[in-house]
Amino acid sequence: DGGITQSPKYLFRKEGQNVTLSCEQNLNHDAMYWYRQDPGQGLRLIYYSQIVNDFQKGDIAEGYSVSREKKESFPLTVTSAQKNPTAFYLCASSMRGRAPFEGPQHFGDGTRLSIL
Amino acid sequence: SQQGEEDPQALSIQEGENATMNCSYKTSINNLQWYRQNSGRGLVHLILIRSNEREKHSGRLRVTLDTSKKSSSLLITASRAADTASYFCATMDTGRRALTFGSGTRLQVQP
Repeated sequence: DGGITQSPKYLFRKEGQNVTLSCEQNLNHDAMYWYRQDPGQGLRLIYYSQIVNDFQKGDIAEGYSVSREKKESFPLTVTSAQKNPTAFYLCASSMRGRAPFEGPQHFGDGTRLSIL
Repeated sequence: SQQGEEDPQALSIQEGENATMNCSYKTSINNLQWYRQNSGRGLVHLILIRSNEREKHSGRLRVTLDTSKKSSSLLITASRAADTASYFCATMDTGRRALTFGSGTRLQVQP
């Protein structure tokens, strides 16, 4: 079955530590996205990528970094500069529509990050 | 930035009743999408309505879009307990290549 796989499901970070969240898709989608969701809130865009080796900052990129070396993979690193990283992180992908990336997004089941 | 604001924030109804959720946004859009999220899970796409469309149906879902008022509504008819979830609207804003999500409506359908 095609889909998006996020791992791990739960992750704990120590002070001063960088952690990397994995996102892999086998939907052959060009575009991939990372969102942060805080309790009871909507999604806020961290980074997005429309093609391999290219990505753009979203609304809350500070303290995060990404890479897009392969079409299938879009890992997110939460750096020690992100002072409040506790949240639910969601990865999504979409295919090119008739307008730039207007299609629906497909989501993984998220990674819950907590601070030790 | 969170463009969409949803109303109500929470809604509790009995099985078989209709549920209506509203979404308002601020800028010019290419399309508006509705998503559903079960607790602790990812989002699932429900329906997309383009800026030149006024109404769209999909099964028990009906979405309307009023671009002059910058608002949309999602109607779920004959609700079921399995419809219990959070529902989010998201806009594909003109000139931006990513969705902007609202804060969501938590729907509880009592059996």
